[in-house]
Amino acid sequence: DGGITQSPKYLFRKEGQNVTLSCEQNLNHDAMYWYRQDPGQGLRLIYYSQIVNDFQKGDIAEGYSVSREKKESFPLTVTSAQKNPTAFYLCASSPSLSGANVLTFGAGSRLTVL
Amino acid sequence: SQQGEEDPQALSIQEGENATMNCSYKTSINNLQWYRQNSGRGLVHLILIRSNEREKHSGRLRVTLDTSKKSSSLLITASRAADTASYFCATEDGGTSYGKLTFGQGTILTVHP
Repeated sequence: DGGITQSPKYLFRKEGQNVTLSCEQNLNHDAMYWYRQDPGQGLRLIYYSQIVNDFQKGDIAEGYSVSREKKESFPLTVTSAQKNPTAFYLCASSPSLSGANVLTFGAGSRLTVL
Repeated sequence: SQQGEEDPQALSIQEGENATMNCSYKTSINNLQWYRQNSGRGLVHLILIRSNEREKHSGRLRVTLDTSKKSSSLLITASRAADTASYFCATEDGGTSYGKLTFGQGTILTVHP
C-alpha cells in the first residue's frame, strides 16, 4: 500500500532534549511538508521541501530543523530551542508544489514534553 | 498565518440530517480544499474546488465557492454517525505562496445515531 508512515506515534521528551520525528513516503511524491496542530487550532506549516536537498521555512520554523537527503524521507527535529513543543505533528506529501496541490497525510506523531 | 476561518466551531446533529460548514478567507486563492480528520489521526482530502468554479459534488458532499464574498461551504447530506470528525478548509494561495496550503481552525461535527 502506498502511503506515508510517521514514527513514533507517541513520544515523550524531557525539557532540554532534542527529538527527531520520522516521516517516510512511498508515493514517489516530490514535495513533503511538516505541520503542527494544537488543540482547537488548525494546522500550521513548519517546513516544506520541493526536492531532495532543498527545503524552506514555513510559518513557525523557529526551534525546528529538517533534512531531505532522500526523496522518500523528511525527518523533523524538535530542538530544545522550541519553547512549547507539546503538540500533534503531521507529515504530508504531494506530487509537486504546483497548482491544485492535494496533500496526503501520515497518521501523526504526538509529542509530549514532561 | 491562518487564512481560513470556519463556522461553526462545533456542530451536533442527528443521523439523516444535513450538515453545513462554512469557511471564509482573506486573500485571493487558486483553489480551496476540504479535508476531514478523525480524532487523533491524519487528514484525508475530500474535495477541491478551483477559483473559477462555483459548485462541486462528490457523493454526499457538495461544495460551493463564492470568490466575491471570499467564502465556501461544505454540505454533507443525509449524515451518518461515521461522518463524525473534524472538517478543515484549506486555501491554496497565489503569488509567492503558490502551491502552499493554509488551513482553517476546523469544524467539529458530531452525528448522533
